[in-house]
Amino acid sequence: NAGVTQTPKFRILKIGQSMTLQCAQDMNHNYMYWYRQDPGMGLKLIYYSVGAGITDKGEVPNGYNVSRSTTEDFPLRLELAAPSQTSVYFCASSPGRTNTGELFFGEGSRLTVL
Amino acid sequence: AQTVTQSQPEMSVQEAETVTLSCTYDTSENNYYLFWYKQPPSRQMILVIRQEAYKQQNATENRFSVNFQKAAKSFSLKISDSQLGDTAMYFCAFMSPTGTASKLTFGTGTRLQVTL
Repeated sequence: NAGVTQTPKFRILKIGQSMTLQCAQDMNHNYMYWYRQDPGMGLKLIYYSVGAGITDKGEVPNGYNVSRSTTEDFPLRLELAAPSQTSVYFCASSPGRTNTGELFFGEGSRLTVL
Repeated sequence: AQTVTQSQPEMSVQEAETVTLSCTYDTSENNYYLFWYKQPPSRQMILVIRQEAYKQQNATENRFSVNFQKAAKSFSLKISDSQLGDTAMYFCAFMSPTGTASKLTFGTGTRLQVTL
């Protein structure tokens, strides 16, 4: 099993550009999440989804959009990139219902906005 | 809102020795979950150990164990017989059982270096 796969692993954007970070999981998990990790900080939740067609904001949603058209995919869209969005982005998934707190993470996407 | 504090940004331990990483948290809830996650240099984060607040017994997973002090809101991780592969960032995390998803609040992490 591939688990949680994120692409791209690295990306440099210019201020004002837009891009989509891709996330796919093959574990048939209902719940999916996007976190960002800034240097010296813990992970902050951007958006999450409890199933196809259902998304909700996390702690730091401004400047981002998500969609969940299938169980497997949960892309994160950055509109009008800003230097404050320079970070490492992690996608994660977890099985639904049990809510045990175990998240399965991807390897991360390092984004730099110049 | 819950907060999680890890006061040790970096720690170092020699191989085969024991090290303890500290974590404190703040919550008004009585029931919740606490976790330690490990993030190796390859960056994929994995769950190390989980503790449910209503269980008084400290969780143990092989060489990893916790010291859960609910009244003090303290949740430390002990790594015994440290191995080079334990070198990683370690994050303490909190989760409320309410809500529809596993939304975790993370601490800022402790970077652990295991040396020969």
